[in-house]
Amino acid sequence: EAGVTQFPSHSVIEKGQTVTLRCDPISGHDNLYWYRRVMGKEIKFLLHFVKESKQDESGMPNNRFLAERTGGTYSTLKVQPAELEDSGVYFCASSPYWTGSYNEQFFGPGTRLTVL
Amino acid sequence: DQQVKQNSPSLSVQEGRISILNCDYTNSMFDYFLWYKKYPAEGPTFLISISSIKDKNEDGRFTVFLNKSAKHLSLHIVPSQPGDSAVYFCAASDPGNQFYFGTGTSLTVIP
Repeated sequence: EAGVTQFPSHSVIEKGQTVTLRCDPISGHDNLYWYRRVMGKEIKFLLHFVKESKQDESGMPNNRFLAERTGGTYSTLKVQPAELEDSGVYFCASSPYWTGSYNEQFFGPGTRLTVL
Repeated sequence: DQQVKQNSPSLSVQEGRISILNCDYTNSMFDYFLWYKKYPAEGPTFLISISSIKDKNEDGRFTVFLNKSAKHLSLHIVPSQPGDSAVYFCAASDPGNQFYFGTGTSLTVIP
C-alpha cells in the first residue's frame, strides 16, 4: 500500500512569489492534515480536512495560505505571496475515518520550502 | 504557547546502553501520547503510543512511561542500536484527534 506522498520534495522561491504544495494521502483516508516545522521548532498543526471539508483551520498562520482538497482526495497548500518566515518543512498526514478515539496519523516525507 | 515540550535537543549514548528521552506536557485533556521517529529527508513515522489511562506500554526494545501527575512521559530504548539514531518527536493527541508535537530530540547511538 502506497504511503502519503508529497510534491515537490524541495522548493526554493523568492519572496513575493507563489508556491503550491501537493499532498496525496493514503487511499481511502478521510482525514488529511497539514503541519509545518520551522527550523528547530516543533511540528505545528496548520489544518485538518475531513474528506473535502475543512474541519479545523485554526493553525493557518494568515490569509496568505490557502488549502484545498478537491473531491476529498489530494490536497494542495498554496502560499501567496510567500514571505521569508514561511520557510520550513511542510508535512502532510492522513488517517482513516475517525471513530471518535485516537487515530494514528501517517506522515508524508515533507516538502522543504525555502523563501529567499 | 507550546503544550508539548522536549527540553533536550540532543542525546548521545553508547551502543547497547539505555536511551531515555523525555517529554513534558501542559494540557490535562490529552488522551493519547505518541512517539514518532524521523530520519533525515523522511516524514515522522509512528513508533509507540500510550493511552492516558495507562502508565506503561512496551513494544520490544521500546517502552513508554507516563506519569500523569507530573505531566511527563519518557521513552526508553534498551539496548540502543546505531540504527536508532534519528530525531524523536513526542506528540500528544486531544479528544478531537488533533496532534501537538514537541521540538524533537536528536538521538545519536555511538557504535
